[in-house]
Amino acid sequence: AQTVTQSQPEMSVQEAETVTLSCTYDTSESDYYLFWYKQPPSRQMILVIRQEAYKQQNATENRFSVNFQKAAKSFSLKISDSQLGDTAMYFCAFMKPVSDGLTFGKGTHLIIQP
Amino acid sequence: NAGVTQTPKFRILKIGQSMTLQCAQDMNHNYMYWYRQDPGMGLKLIYYSVGAGITDKGEVPNGYNVSRSTTEDFPLRLELAAPSQTSVYFCASTAMTGATEAFFGQGTRLTVV
Repeated sequence: AQTVTQSQPEMSVQEAETVTLSCTYDTSESDYYLFWYKQPPSRQMILVIRQEAYKQQNATENRFSVNFQKAAKSFSLKISDSQLGDTAMYFCAFMKPVSDGLTFGKGTHLIIQP
Repeated sequence: NAGVTQTPKFRILKIGQSMTLQCAQDMNHNYMYWYRQDPGMGLKLIYYSVGAGITDKGEVPNGYNVSRSTTEDFPLRLELAAPSQTSVYFCASTAMTGATEAFFGQGTRLTVV
């Protein structure tokens, strides 16, 4: 079984700053997929970014980018030029190729201060 | 474009009662999932289905049952509700395996008293 660990329960930064959320995972699989999901107070789960383990290039989506270190089993999320709307819970998630569901970390509550 | 629709959004149950959480998707996705989210925790997989007529247990299936008679619907049944089932329940669907985006419903907040 795989596990996902997010060691930062809560983080707070000023608007426009850059923030990095940490995620480590443990698996015996060689092929898998990693995701960051955002959950604002509305409770809706929103995909932020995804990474295929076989791709060495780190994924980027506008202000969001990841630092994927396969050997270290690390998958951190960097948010540049943070905005008030980025305030939310952020969950790191893992999935095997057979799609028997996502394994989530406990989440990091990110607060962007004006 | 409705996506994944869950009903109800809120529900209070008494211990020992039963109920069904409804989930429907209109994207013709084969894969559907039920998760629960306890306070301060990530989502945990209860059951999943890879297509009509096929279901399988996830990490925390005890106390729940599912069925998948159509591609669109994936109801979750709670029998003999217990306080430990107080949680927020999410239904999700994906089109295929891999790095495909999972689409989530808005969640059902269930309280068992």
